[in-house]
Amino acid sequence: DAGVIQSPRHEVTEMGQEVTLRCKPISGHDYLFWYRQTMMRGLELLIYFNNNVPIDDSGMPEDRFSAKMPNASFSTLKIQPSEPRDSAVYFCASSRGTGRQETQYFGPGTRLLVL
Amino acid sequence: GESVGLHLPTLSVQEGDNSIINCAYSNSASDYFIWYKQESGKGPQFIIDIRSNMDKRQGQRVTVLLNKTVKHLSLQIAATQPGDSAVYFCAENRPIHGSSNTGKLIFGQGTTLQVKP
Repeated sequence: DAGVIQSPRHEVTEMGQEVTLRCKPISGHDYLFWYRQTMMRGLELLIYFNNNVPIDDSGMPEDRFSAKMPNASFSTLKIQPSEPRDSAVYFCASSRGTGRQETQYFGPGTRLLVL
Repeated sequence: GESVGLHLPTLSVQEGDNSIINCAYSNSASDYFIWYKQESGKGPQFIIDIRSNMDKRQGQRVTVLLNKTVKHLSLQIAATQPGDSAVYFCAENRPIHGSSNTGKLIFGQGTTLQVKP
């Protein structure tokens, strides 16, 4: 299995621009998570989906952030408009099943820099 | 909210020595912890987990100890190798929506392990 796939790996954009991050979970996994990692705040859960349905988005910072999962093999995290404080590494993770014991597998991340 | 993962930011060890990475948590109701390893430029990778009904669990070259009395857990790496150099996170798998069967990961700040040749 290829693991969780994220694209792009690096993104540099200017403040005010729209940014779209993409994720392909591991086949057969029905949970998908979006995390953000910064030096100041560490790894934070933004939102997660179960069977393509958003379950908990309480970690999404503000309305500029939105996430979708149109099918079981694809999810996007969009920031519009982007701001310099959004600069971070964004990780997507997926897990199988519904139990807490199911391991989350992380993708390589997208390093975002907003100028 | 309740915190997890209060520990030293950096640990430097000699190759071949044992490493001990510590983590403290504040919520006495926390019942499930996971250690992740994050190498430079990569996402976190699962190492080992432990539930509160255990005080010790062993994997390949790694051991996790849980002391619920003082709300502390540690990750021990035997015969540390250069490939062990990474940031190590302890994370709590916290129940959500009142369900004991569904959880989300609450990560600590991480400890950077540096292995000297």
